[in-house]
Amino acid sequence: EAQVTQNPRYLITVTGKKLTVTCSQNMNHEYMSWYRQDPGLGLRQIYYSMNVEVTDKGDVPEGYKVSRKEKRNFPLILESPSPNQTSLYFCASSLTGGYGYTFGSGTRLTVV
Amino acid sequence: KQEVTQIPAALSVPEGENLVLNCSFTDSAIYNLQWFRQDPGKGLTSLLLIQSSQREQTSGRLNASLDKSSGRSTLYIAASQPGDSATYLCAARMNRDDKIIFGKGTRLHILP
Repeated sequence: EAQVTQNPRYLITVTGKKLTVTCSQNMNHEYMSWYRQDPGLGLRQIYYSMNVEVTDKGDVPEGYKVSRKEKRNFPLILESPSPNQTSLYFCASSLTGGYGYTFGSGTRLTVV
Repeated sequence: KQEVTQIPAALSVPEGENLVLNCSFTDSAIYNLQWFRQDPGKGLTSLLLIQSSQREQTSGRLNASLDKSSGRSTLYIAASQPGDSATYLCAARMNRDDKIIFGKGTRLHILP
């Protein structure tokens, strides 16, 4: 089944403890992206990648890192999480060339 | 800068009614527009994708239209059912390989 898989689905962590949220897609998509969703603010893009070894900042990149060493994987790294990074995170992928996006099921992160 | 707006933010209608959800965008030079459905706490499911050269797309009881000149897209849901209750988001893509810009969604509640 074609899908975007995120792990974990739920995560509670403490301030300053490094964490990684994984994202993997099995559709051979070139484009991958991370979004966070907050009440009243909607979906905001954190980082995106046009292809392997190519990443760029979205609208809210502060406090996050990403890497794209393989086409299928696009992990989101929080080096020193803070409570304002408590949010619902989504990974998405698409073929380049104006095709539609496919989203993962989301990761609900709570930083205490 | 492209802005995508969805009004109203919330809508309640009795079961069986036909309804229209609205999406407007400030820059008419979009590449495509995509409609998503999101259930509470869940990921986004793609419903319909309309390319800039198209006027509408249909899938089952759903029909999405696109009018670039007026900066509008509508999602028509025929014979609404309680299972249609969800948040519906539209997203505009400006260029072939660019990110998509989301509206904040319309939360739809179908009353049994």
